[in-house]
Amino acid sequence: SAVISQKPSRDICQRGTSLTIQCQVDSQVTMMFWYRQQPGQSLTLIATANQGSEATYESGFVIDKFPISRPNLTFSTLTVSNMSPEDSSIYLCSVEDVYEQYFGPGTRLTVT
Amino acid sequence: TQLLEQSPQFLSIQEGENLTVYCNSSSVFSSLQWYRQEPGEGPVLLVTVVTGGEVKKLKRLTFQFGDARKDSSLHITAAQPGDTGLYLCAGESTGGGNKLTFGTGTQLKVEL
Repeated sequence: SAVISQKPSRDICQRGTSLTIQCQVDSQVTMMFWYRQQPGQSLTLIATANQGSEATYESGFVIDKFPISRPNLTFSTLTVSNMSPEDSSIYLCSVEDVYEQYFGPGTRLTVT
Repeated sequence: TQLLEQSPQFLSIQEGENLTVYCNSSSVFSSLQWYRQEPGEGPVLLVTVVTGGEVKKLKRLTFQFGDARKDSSLHITAAQPGDTGLYLCAGESTGGGNKLTFGTGTQLKVEL
């Protein structure tokens, strides 16, 4: 199974600013995913990030708001741009490894 | 849009009791996964079921995939406080792409 780390683990940001979340995997993986989750609730997929191609965004999420980088097979970043209080959430990255998905510990973002 | 409804949404039981969590959809999935998530951590994969009618056992946990691959259940025997957490089912669509649709979640609390 893949081991995934995320930075930062939590942050408090002011509205109008941007935050970049990093996701590091201990092995090379083709597919990485970014999710959003309200505490105690379900996960919503933001986008799929494959190395060497543009990220694919789900309905309701756009690149200008959530730009994603995938420079290599072990690393990805998600930026939450021009933040508002509605962006307060837990952001999780996950990877697919041998047909199963593994998740990072999440980044808890609070926007004031 | 594929939806996965879980029931119950919340469950609080005493140690030693049995419980069942249901995951239902009107859509067919190629596979279905169950996760448990604890506060401050990402979801951890418990099991993947692939074949309609399949039953898998993991110690005190029994997972079943419906014959039509539209629903699933998780049964826990003799629940323990360590079983406390958010349980999430997630279905992989038959259209491929490795994207998961997550269920609405079941928050379980097992008390002494």
